Amino acid sequence: AQSVTQLDSHVSVSEGTPVLLRCNYSSSYSPSLFWYVQHPNKGLQLLLKYTSAATLVKGINGFEAEFKKSETSFHLTKPSAHMSDAAEYFCVVSVPSGSQGNLIFGKGTKLSVKP
Amino acid sequence: DSGVTQTPKHLITATGQRVTLRCSPRSGDLSVYWYQQSLDQGLQFLIHYYNGEERAKGNILERFSAQQFPDLHSELNLSSLELGDSALYFCASSVGRYNEQFFGPGTRLTVL
Repeated sequence: AQSVTQLDSHVSVSEGTPVLLRCNYSSSYSPSLFWYVQHPNKGLQLLLKYTSAATLVKGINGFEAEFKKSETSFHLTKPSAHMSDAAEYFCVVSVPSGSQGNLIFGKGTKLSVKP
Repeated sequence: DSGVTQTPKHLITATGQRVTLRCSPRSGDLSVYWYQQSLDQGLQFLIHYYNGEERAKGNILERFSAQQFPDLHSELNLSSLELGDSALYFCASSVGRYNEQFFGPGTRLTVL
């Protein structure tokens, strides 16, 4: 069965410092993985996606994620946090459509950025 | 801007009432998904339509129903509303059935 686990419910960083949001996945086949961001009272925005073309995936706003099959991880990073990065981030795995739709969402990590 | 539109943005209604939420997918997208997001339940998948046909059902109550029309827009109907139905309702669309989804801005439903 496919699942995704976000290891931190809340991460707090200072502006200008690196961001690391951790995600582990479980999948019985080669998965497609995504990171979405949701700012308060807004819809979810696709940050980046992994579909087996390259293990290091670059997304929007300076974010990137590395797919590590041996560790079943897909952590999201950014070298330098900006105040506008404060939001909730969801790690997502794609599955055959079923009772959960074709995307399984992690529970989310809330990122706070201190000035 | 994802290209997915949802109306209305806000909806305030009373218990027992019925409302309809509308979603227009991105141009060319055949799949439409509906989600409910609340503080206690998080993001819950409700239902998926592909090219007018229902493809998957999630945690959708019997009081809720949806459809996708020939022009591919979709409507989510919520009836006999309860206080606990207050939430953000998102629509998302994708090209096919297994691609990344693009989310609309949501409809905030408040049931008083």
